[in-house]
Amino acid sequence: RKEVEQDPGPFNVPEGATVAFNCTYSNSASQSFFWYRQDCRKEPKLLMSVYSSGNEDGRFTAQLNRASQYISLLIRDSKLSDSATYLCVVNRPGTYKYIFGTGTRLKVLA
Amino acid sequence: SAVISQKPSRDICQRGTSLTIQCQVDSQVTMMFWYRQQPGQSLTLIATANQGSEATYESGFVIDKFPISRPNLTFSTLTVSNMSPEDSSIYLCSVGTQMNTEAFFGQGTRLTVV
Repeated sequence: RKEVEQDPGPFNVPEGATVAFNCTYSNSASQSFFWYRQDCRKEPKLLMSVYSSGNEDGRFTAQLNRASQYISLLIRDSKLSDSATYLCVVNRPGTYKYIFGTGTRLKVLA
Repeated sequence: SAVISQKPSRDICQRGTSLTIQCQVDSQVTMMFWYRQQPGQSLTLIATANQGSEATYESGFVIDKFPISRPNLTFSTLTVSNMSPEDSSIYLCSVGTQMNTEAFFGQGTRLTVV
């Protein structure tokens, strides 16, 4: 089983839609979870950390389900500028290492 | 946060040659990592660059192919040796400042081997 798994998509959604991505991780001891955004031909940039209680940043909501070992990202009121690849990142327990999912491609259509 | 300068940003190299990529951070950092992102793929960790000792390589990556240096807490290099077209990829430097906090990335080096 892969350490971190994501649906690669693509998810094609109209502007204004709500879209959600899930990501599963294999190591129950993982402590840190993040969503990164990667635009075409650019380096990944942190979108948001994922906290146990769930957290929201504007139109973006991240949630963690430890029992089922998955994290989710919800984007409300999608904008054209949200089109990108969203990478799920999980730390390898006891290390500084970060393991990346394959990424989920989102395309927001006008 | 950390500001990372990586160079070159891109290069086209002949097969059989080697390329060294540099990563400079604007502050001392505990951990530095090197990732590879092959076309259409996600990031794969190559190795952890350890200051003052040999790098720690992930499964499938070896020192002879990807020698790494880390002479101090702000600088590291990755060399891609004896290149083949399969090495065409984006190589990314990353740093971690504290355990369980986010990682920061350089702009990446886009390598094409012909």
